[in-house]
Amino acid sequence: AQKVTQAQTEISVVEKEDVTLDCVYETRDTTYYLFWYKQPPSGELVFLIRRNSFDEQNEISGRYSWNFQKSTSSFNFTITASQVVDSAVYFCALRGMTTDSWGKLQFGAGTQVVVTP
Amino acid sequence: DTEVTQTPKHLVMGMTNKKSLKCEQHMGHRAMYWYKQKAKKPPELMFVYSYEKLSINESVPSRFSPECPNSSLLNLHLHALQPEDSALYLCASSQGSQGSTDTQYFGPGTRLTVL
Repeated sequence: AQKVTQAQTEISVVEKEDVTLDCVYETRDTTYYLFWYKQPPSGELVFLIRRNSFDEQNEISGRYSWNFQKSTSSFNFTITASQVVDSAVYFCALRGMTTDSWGKLQFGAGTQVVVTP
Repeated sequence: DTEVTQTPKHLVMGMTNKKSLKCEQHMGHRAMYWYKQKAKKPPELMFVYSYEKLSINESVPSRFSPECPNSSLLNLHLHALQPEDSALYLCASSQGSQGSTDTQYFGPGTRLTVL
């Protein structure tokens, strides 16, 4: 069975502060993909980033960066210099590559990020 | 273009009504999905269509009936719903290839209220 844990329920920051979201996962698949999605109050889930299990290179994309560590099964996400528009619920998700798991996105519980001016 | 559209945005229905939710994508994706999301919870997968065939049904009650008329359209027919079915219903699509990166792209959702 696959499981994604986001231990942080809510994080509140002041604008321009950095915010890091934690994600820990469990899977028996040897190959898998990890995702971060953002859900603003409007409700639409917006795809942010994707990382496959065989590439542990960490990257930066604009104000977003991520730290994937297979040894600790963690896939943390950082927003640098936060802005009010970053206020949303952020979901970490896992998808396997087997016949049984490819179509199923396993979501974490989500972390509410509140950015105040 | 990563747009998935859903209609209507909001729907209020009685327990005896029959209604349908619609989803459309023009990205050439061959997999489409229905999710249900309750307040302050993550989305829960309901159905997956792959190449216009139902490939996953997550034990959803029969009062929810999916339909995939073609590769661009996905419907969810609703009948005899219960108040606890009130939720945000999200549609998603992806390339549909098991071996691909296959990222799911979501629509804006339909907020359903059952009275």
